[in-house]
Amino acid sequence: DTGVSQDPRHKITKRGQNVTFRCDPISEHNRLYWYRQTLGQGPEFLTYFQNEAQLEKSRLLSDRFSAERPKGSFSTLEIQRTEQGDSAMYLCASSGDFDEQFFGPGTRLTVL
Amino acid sequence: AQSVTQPDIHITVSEGASLELRCNYSYGATPYLFWYVQSPGQGLQLLLKYFSGDTLVQGIKGFEAEFKRSQSSFNLRKPSVHWSDAAEYFCAVGEGNNDMRFGAGTRLTVKP
Repeated sequence: DTGVSQDPRHKITKRGQNVTFRCDPISEHNRLYWYRQTLGQGPEFLTYFQNEAQLEKSRLLSDRFSAERPKGSFSTLEIQRTEQGDSAMYLCASSGDFDEQFFGPGTRLTVL
Repeated sequence: AQSVTQPDIHITVSEGASLELRCNYSYGATPYLFWYVQSPGQGLQLLLKYFSGDTLVQGIKGFEAEFKRSQSSFNLRKPSVHWSDAAEYFCAVGEGNNDMRFGAGTRLTVKP
């Protein structure tokens, strides 16, 4: 296993468009996390899955954001009606029940 | 709620000099503590973690950190810095390996 992968690595979109990002975790990991990182800041927690169940959502995750992990493997994060303030790096991480989180390289979103 | 403060936004050290990056946390119980490193264009890589036991933790790349409950600190140290250590360093606190909160990061510059 080569680690957590994310696709695409970069996304440029126009304000008002919808975007979807994909995360493939380390195969044996049952936990998957999404974070957002803006310039000069640390990652901010968005949401967390254990298998296919979404167990926690941050208040940062507005109604325009939705995340799924339908089969308990890969996950998608969708942002509807993007705004310029959504421009950030979106990070995915995965872990086992008692391990540290392993991070993917991130998807950099630019909203014009 | 847990929180993390990294008081130093930017630190510059000479190659071969010692390094200490500060991290203070706020958490009601015994925290899980982490240090991650992020190089440009790279994902976050775990340097070390503290869950319990010995308060002096050894990590990868010659880094160590000491958990001091009385000071609510988890400072990262390295006796001799290499040019390749230039990166952004993030301290994080969590309840288990979930619900991690990151500090804003310290950017390390290494002078030749």
